Amino acid sequence: QVQLQESGPGLVKPSETLSLTCTVSGSSISSGYYWGWIRQPPGKGLEWIGSIYRIGSTYYNPSLKTRVTISVDTSKNQFSLKLNSVTAADTAVYYCARNRYDWNYVSFDVWGQGTMVTVSS
Amino acid sequence: QSVLTQPPSASGTPGQRVTISCSGSSSNIGSNTVNWYQQLPGTAPKLLIYRNNQRPSGVPDRFSGSKSGTSASLAISGLQSEDEADYYCAAWDDSLNGVFGGGTKLTVL
Repeated sequence: QVQLQESGPGLVKPSETLSLTCTVSGSSISSGYYWGWIRQPPGKGLEWIGSIYRIGSTYYNPSLKTRVTISVDTSKNQFSLKLNSVTAADTAVYYCARNRYDWNYVSFDVWGQGTMVTVSS
Repeated sequence: QSVLTQPPSASGTPGQRVTISCSGSSSNIGSNTVNWYQQLPGTAPKLLIYRNNQRPSGVPDRFSGSKSGTSASLAISGLQSEDEADYYCAAWDDSLNGVFGGGTKLTVL
């Protein structure tokens, strides 16, 4: 079955860049799905960050668009998130997920376990 | 402040039917379909309902969804203790943004 696993630093300093990678197993990342990132601040709700389809087709949350880049590495079957100029408000659990655009744009049917990222000096 | 509005809490007793509401606007729920997610404590969210009332494979038919105008609802019948979780609605907004509700914490009494 399809599995996703997030990886990356758990601590990032303010003003620096948060970088996370999601490794996909059990399915090719080029198999025709979109792939997305969602985050959840401690004790709060979910926030869509953005989604990518293979290479070149990305959609970002307008409130994060100026700071976010999502990319795909098909050779490693991975996709990545970069969020620059982070502040304490970016502290959250970050999830990667498979995005079933064929159902609708907010259908995330397979999720990683999530990784906690804290922004602090 | 979430774009979609949900009650912060709901409760019910085992076997009961409970509903959770989600209110939006013409740019999201009014013009796009609604999804529901269940998040058990300490775990990743799970897709429960997509396209207003469709269940992914493996989701029990005790869970059902509906939409009318700019509002949507999730109904859980035959409430069980393992249904105690946070529930989130989600929809695409025409501003090109995926939006979620603030979440509803369901307690099984």
